[in-house]
Amino acid sequence: AQSVTQPDIHITVSEGASLELRCNYSYGATPYLFWYVQSPGQGLQLLLKYFSGDTLVQGIKGFEAEFKRSQSSFNLRKPSVHWSDAAEYFCAVGASGTYKYIFGTGTRLKVLA
Amino acid sequence: EAQVTQNPRYLITVTGKKLTVTCSQNMNHEYMSWYRQDPGLGLRQIYYSMNVEVTDKGDVPEGYKVSRKEKRNFPLILESPSPNQTSLYFCASRKWENTEAFFGQGTRLTVV
Repeated sequence: AQSVTQPDIHITVSEGASLELRCNYSYGATPYLFWYVQSPGQGLQLLLKYFSGDTLVQGIKGFEAEFKRSQSSFNLRKPSVHWSDAAEYFCAVGASGTYKYIFGTGTRLKVLA
Repeated sequence: EAQVTQNPRYLITVTGKKLTVTCSQNMNHEYMSWYRQDPGLGLRQIYYSMNVEVTDKGDVPEGYKVSRKEKRNFPLILESPSPNQTSLYFCASRKWENTEAFFGQGTRLTVV
């Protein structure tokens, strides 16, 4: 069965520091992978997606993610965090043929001034 | 502006009183779905629809109903709400399988 694991429930970083949020998935075929961000009181906004091709994908707001098939990972990175990045981040995998997205449990990011 | 609109944004109701949460999208998307978000559990799919008059259960369908009579609308119906349905609900739509999903702003439901 497909699954998505975000091992870090909470992460705190200082403004200006680098960030890496982890995402591991379990899926038999090549997955379709997404990162979404949820700001307080808001819906989910797509940060970036991976369908195929270059394994390093660029997204909005300066975020990037790297697909590593050998590690079943799709970690999200940002070189310098801004206070406005404080939010909850969700990794999701698209299960081909089922129309289903499977979401991780989310990582809540806190940014210290 | 392309968007998914949910109403209401906040709702407090009593156990057993039927309610409907509306969802509408203006992007002509075929696929729509409902999720609930609970702390520590992420988003779990309740129901989804691949097109008009085509709906199916997601992972947590018990206590919910949906309908898809028009392409743009996908209401979520709670016939007899219970306190364990207190949650944050999201509607989402997308064009095809495995394309980007667009989410509504969410509906925070409290059942007392």
